[in-house]
Amino acid sequence: ETGVTQTPRHLVMGMTNKKSLKCEQHLGHNAMYWYKQSAKKPLELMFVYSLEERVENNSVPSRFSPECPNSSHLFLHLHTLQPEDSALYLCASSQDTGQHAETQYFGPGTRLLVL
Amino acid sequence: AQSVTQLGSHVSVSEGALVLLRCNYSSSVPPYLFWYVQYPNQGLQLLLKYTTGATLVKGINGFEAEFKKSETSFHLTKPSAHMSDAAEYFCAVSISNFGNEKLTFGTGTRLTIIP
Repeated sequence: ETGVTQTPRHLVMGMTNKKSLKCEQHLGHNAMYWYKQSAKKPLELMFVYSLEERVENNSVPSRFSPECPNSSHLFLHLHTLQPEDSALYLCASSQDTGQHAETQYFGPGTRLLVL
Repeated sequence: AQSVTQLGSHVSVSEGALVLLRCNYSSSVPPYLFWYVQYPNQGLQLLLKYTTGATLVKGINGFEAEFKKSETSFHLTKPSAHMSDAAEYFCAVSISNFGNEKLTFGTGTRLTIIP
């Protein structure tokens, strides 16, 4: 398996459910990211991890909880979501943060629908 | 703070015609500029990026973009459109911020190719 993979690809959940999104990168990168992609809006950066430490949290509601157990894996734990949280959640990785010419490599995303 | 404006949320061109997707940026310091492409049901993929040096940048799939500082623009072009170019295209800007660099994306332009 190469590149950045995400599971599941599609997820439907109720507002009282708890679920987790998983991302895995096979590129040997040190940095990983979660983005939210909603229709007609720019990609929103949610979290950034560098060497398993969170370096950025863009005022994301606490119902989204990230976890980075190692530099290859990134999770997004979801609980008591709202319908407006329905979106495509993209994971990305890059060699490092702190280098503003870095290319980010994206996974295919998880399409989330909150009912 | 930096920002990106993509003019035209939808662009349609005939197969074989010129593709022109517009991007203007705002940045108080020299930016790095990127174009990403997103095919249906996939994540974003880097097309090309401008860092320093030559202002005309060539990317994958025959695309190129020119950095024009005086116009604060980074428009994406391709001389002859192909059906496989149908996708959504995102312009992004990154500036150096002492280890806190991040990409700021535009809202995207959906490109449709007319047979």
